[in-house]
Amino acid sequence: EPEVTQTPSHQVTQMGQEVILRCVPISNHLYFYWYRQILGQKVEFLVSFYNNEISEKSEIFDDQFSVERPDGSNFTLKIRSTKLEDSAMYFCASRETGEKNIQYFGAGTRLSVL
Amino acid sequence: GQNIDQPTEMTATEGAIVQINCTYQTSGFNGLFWYQQHAGEAPTFLSYNVLDGLEEKGRFSSFLSRSKGYSYLLLKELQMKDSASYLCAFEDDYKLSFGAGTTVTVRA
Repeated sequence: EPEVTQTPSHQVTQMGQEVILRCVPISNHLYFYWYRQILGQKVEFLVSFYNNEISEKSEIFDDQFSVERPDGSNFTLKIRSTKLEDSAMYFCASRETGEKNIQYFGAGTRLSVL
Repeated sequence: GQNIDQPTEMTATEGAIVQINCTYQTSGFNGLFWYQQHAGEAPTFLSYNVLDGLEEKGRFSSFLSRSKGYSYLLLKELQMKDSASYLCAFEDDYKLSFGAGTTVTVRA
């Protein structure tokens, strides 16, 4: 069964450093998302991406964040200068076009900012 | 504004039935989703309702009333592996807004 894959599974970084989280969405999907989940809290929407551009972003997704689809398969989330409060689980999700708007989630990247 | 409420925790016995309620408020609505999330893992899709009524899928069923802003997930014949967090989420403008999740503990 096709799945969304994310790398790395765990990323440890120093405050102020840049990190890039990588995702390979399901191959025939056209909508891509990043969500985050701070430990013990709910899953929060960060950004959606369609047709090579951001379609919507939340208040969390400030100038420190950016997304890119550098080639036909990868979808990345970059945090320019990490803060302690960026420590969270980051989930990538993808959705096909069609009637059923089901988003499928990757296993996540646990980001620890020290 | 937008809001989702679901109970924090529920406990049930193996083989029993549990119903997890969810109420939501939103101005835009494209559907109601239920996901299962085991600790430290990704949310896994369980069910989707866009019209009022009951959707049945094996041991899991989900109900939606759009006029009441209400949904429930029914888990039948509970198994130990069903111990997890169950997330209610609505879709608005193709993005999901999640509730805080209901932790279900299944006891032998």
